[in-house]
Amino acid sequence: GAVVSQHPSRVICKSGTSVKIECRSLDFQATTMFWYRQFPKQSLMLMATSNEGSKATYEQGVEKDKFLINHASLTLSTLTVTSAHPEDSSFYICSATEAGRGSQPQHFGDGTRLSIL
Amino acid sequence: GQQLNQSPQSMFIQEGEDVSMNCTSSSIFNTWLWYKQDPGEGPVLLIALYKAGELTSNGRLTAQFGITRKDSFLNISASIPSDVGIYFCAGRTNYNQGGKLIFGQGTELSVKP
Repeated sequence: GAVVSQHPSRVICKSGTSVKIECRSLDFQATTMFWYRQFPKQSLMLMATSNEGSKATYEQGVEKDKFLINHASLTLSTLTVTSAHPEDSSFYICSATEAGRGSQPQHFGDGTRLSIL
Repeated sequence: GQQLNQSPQSMFIQEGEDVSMNCTSSSIFNTWLWYKQDPGEGPVLLIALYKAGELTSNGRLTAQFGITRKDSFLNISASIPSDVGIYFCAGRTNYNQGGKLIFGQGTELSVKP
């Protein structure tokens, strides 16, 4: 089945650091990947839609300069949290849908736990 | 904006009992998905529904796409301890949006052995 790999699984860093999270589709090509944020005991909140070869589409209220998204290939999207602060601490999850199969379900990575001290 | 109302928020049941949870929306969806999330992990797809009225099973799990296309339910029969986790419904309205999903608030299931 479709496998999405997310790296790193956990990051602990000081305030002001920029953190990059990678999302890879391992056995399929993904023209579209999605980035979510999840706080404890809450649902997944879509942050942005990552489109291969073009600019990401951000949801309302999500700062594009704060959360930089790059989708340079059909198997890799990256989310960079710039100048992270404690309020950016959260569980970040990516998902992907196989290229040309937009009707198929999204497959999720295992998430990245970001803790900013 | 579009919202999904998922209920119940939490359930505490005895092993062997059946479980039922549902999602409703004010909007029509083309696709309903049910995911399970274990602590510290990403959601895992359980069942995907694509047609109004569709009833699909996956082992002890059964889910239905409501005939009005505004609701879906998930049933788990004969629950076991490994069923513990958070279950999310998710709906999709338009493939042209790149398959963007809207998630319910989740149902946290606890199973007592």
